[in-house]
Amino acid sequence: DAGVIQSPRHEVTEMGQEVTLRCKPISGHNSLFWYRQTMMRGLELLIYFNNNVPIDDSGMPEDRFSAKMPNASFSTLKIQPSEPRDSAVYFCASSFTRNTGELFFGEGSRLTVL
Amino acid sequence: GQNIDQPTEMTATEGAIVQINCTYQTSGFNGLFWYQQHAGEAPTFLSYNVLDGLEEKGRFSSFLSRSKGYSYLLLKELQMKDSASYLCAANNAGNMLTFGGGTRLMVKP
Repeated sequence: DAGVIQSPRHEVTEMGQEVTLRCKPISGHNSLFWYRQTMMRGLELLIYFNNNVPIDDSGMPEDRFSAKMPNASFSTLKIQPSEPRDSAVYFCASSFTRNTGELFFGEGSRLTVL
Repeated sequence: GQNIDQPTEMTATEGAIVQINCTYQTSGFNGLFWYQQHAGEAPTFLSYNVLDGLEEKGRFSSFLSRSKGYSYLLLKELQMKDSASYLCAANNAGNMLTFGGGTRLMVKP
């Protein structure tokens, strides 16, 4: 089975532009997580979906960030407008909550905002 | 709230043993994970403890004490490829993982 698939792998954009990151979780997993990783702050949980419903979005930094999960096989994280401080690696991860809760991570999307 | 503490960096010699400690405070606790992350790559699962005691898996072992809010990852017979960041993560009652800042391990010849 394919793992968690994220796109794009790398994105370089200018301040003020809209950025959309995409994620396809592992088939059969019912939980999806968006994390952001920086040297300063490590891995931070942004938002968590269970059965396509947002459960906890307390980690979303501000209104410029939004996430959707229209169906069990697709999620997006959008930043509008983007700022240089949003530069980070954004990881999507999925899990099956009836198991231990082990997370399976995608390869990440490295975002650079100039 | 959630608080996960682990050392920022450690250095060890090839062939040696190293222990990476982690202390945690969480509201609700449903297990402790260790992940390995090589530079530029995604974190990958190493171990999971939910009961007190030692779990051994090849060269890697993980220990948990729930009463002390303490875990450690033990790496034996270190190899150069073990140079990576090791992330401790606590699973709370809501099945969300909160990660520590990671311990960057450098293995030297």
